Amino acid sequence: KQEVTQIPAALSVPEGENLVLNCSFTDSAIYNLQWFRQDPGKGLTSLLLIQSSQREQTSGRLNASLDKSSGRSTLYIAASQPGDSATYLCAVMDLGGGSEKLVFGKGMKLTVNP
Amino acid sequence: DAGVIQSPRHEVTEMGQEVTLRCKPISGHDYLFWYRQTMMRGLELLIYFNNNVPIDDSGMPEDRFSAKMPNASFSTLKIQPSEPRDSAVYFCASKTVLLGTQYFGPGTRLLVL
Repeated sequence: KQEVTQIPAALSVPEGENLVLNCSFTDSAIYNLQWFRQDPGKGLTSLLLIQSSQREQTSGRLNASLDKSSGRSTLYIAASQPGDSATYLCAVMDLGGGSEKLVFGKGMKLTVNP
Repeated sequence: DAGVIQSPRHEVTEMGQEVTLRCKPISGHDYLFWYRQTMMRGLELLIYFNNNVPIDDSGMPEDRFSAKMPNASFSTLKIQPSEPRDSAVYFCASKTVLLGTQYFGPGTRLLVL
């Protein structure tokens, strides 16, 4: 059974720092991995999606990498801003069976202080 | 497009009552997902549909939960009878087979007293 872990559960940093958010998964047979952002009281917004054949994806100040063999992904946030404060969730889609099921980590709550 | 629409946004009910949550997916999307989010268990998939047909309901906790998708633009998640442990935020999401990502609604915050 796939399990996704995000450590630490919370992080508080001053504005301007470069950040690395970690995600690990137990079964490397994945179809893709996604990073989502969740603001308080809101739904999830997709940030980046990495297919299993890819090593990384970039969008603006965000860069996500994937190492399937080690079961790890990182989300890099450059020059953090207070507006980046949110909960960040990692999710994997397992390979095989044609399932569209996503398995989520519990998320990491990020606070960027001005 | 207005995005995924969920109603109600908040629901407070008493134990034993029936609760119906509603979802309108993004037009043209052929997958619809129901999730439940709690502090303890995080975000869990309850059930998903493809072209209005339930594909995987293995996450539905018990027979008190049921979900339907009578057409491509509407789905319901029903809890009958409700229990305090059902208190959570319930999200609906949709996607198209052409895109990898799911688009989430704002959620329904359910409190069962």
